Amino acid sequence: GAGVSQSPRYKVTKRGQDVALRCDPISGHVSLYWYRQALGQGPEFLTYFNYEAQQDKSGLPNDRFSAERPEGSISTLTIQRTEQRDSAMYRCASSLLGREAFFGQGTRLTVV
Amino acid sequence: AQKITQTQPGMFVQEKEAVTLDCTYDTSDQSYGLFWYKQPSSGEMIFLIYQGSYDEQNATEGRYSLNFQKARKSANLVISASQLGDSAMYFCAMEGGGSNYKLTFGKGTLLTVNP
Repeated sequence: GAGVSQSPRYKVTKRGQDVALRCDPISGHVSLYWYRQALGQGPEFLTYFNYEAQQDKSGLPNDRFSAERPEGSISTLTIQRTEQRDSAMYRCASSLLGREAFFGQGTRLTVV
Repeated sequence: AQKITQTQPGMFVQEKEAVTLDCTYDTSDQSYGLFWYKQPSSGEMIFLIYQGSYDEQNATEGRYSLNFQKARKSANLVISASQLGDSAMYFCAMEGGGSNYKLTFGKGTLLTVNP
C-alpha cells in the first residue's frame, strides 16, 4: 500500500477482553515495528520483525502481549486479558532495513 | 542501553525566525543513527531528518538541519524560517548499532510558532 495502515483506528474494550491490533506495512518493507505511546510521551519500543522472524521482543511488557507476522507482511499485536494500564496509542512502523521508518496513524486503545 | 534526553518540554518561536531543539544521547554503540520526527496535533509521526554516526557532514533536509556534535553526544534540530505549520511535538530518536533498528525516543519538545 501507499503507507502503513493500522486498524482499527480506535478501540474501546472492557477490562479482561482480548484485543487484536492489525498493521499492514508499506509493500516491500522488510522490517516492521510495534511501539506504544502514552499521552505526552515518546513512543516506546515493543517488538520488531524482519520478514516473518521476530527479532526482538524485549519491549513487550508481559506475557499478555504477543505479536506475529506469519507471512512477512501484515502483523497482529494481541493483548490478552486487557487491563486499564494497557490504554495507549499503539503505533506500527515499517522500513526497508533501518534508516527511515514510516509510521502508521496508530490505534488508540481504551480499556474501560 | 540507549537513552535520549530532550530537556525542553516546550519552546516558542516567532514566525520566520530560526529555532534549535536540543537532543542529547547516550550509547555504547560505535555505529548508530539519529532521527527527528514531527508529531502534529493530528497524531501522525512524520520523519524529518537522519544522521548516521559516521557521517562527516551535518544532515540537511530543506529547512531542517541536524547539528551533530559527536564528542558532546548531541544532535540538535535546527528549523530555519519557522512557519505556523511547524507547531507540533518534535521527537529525537536513535537506533542501535548492528542489525537492531529499533528506535529509542526522547520525551519530545512541544514547539509553538507565534504569528
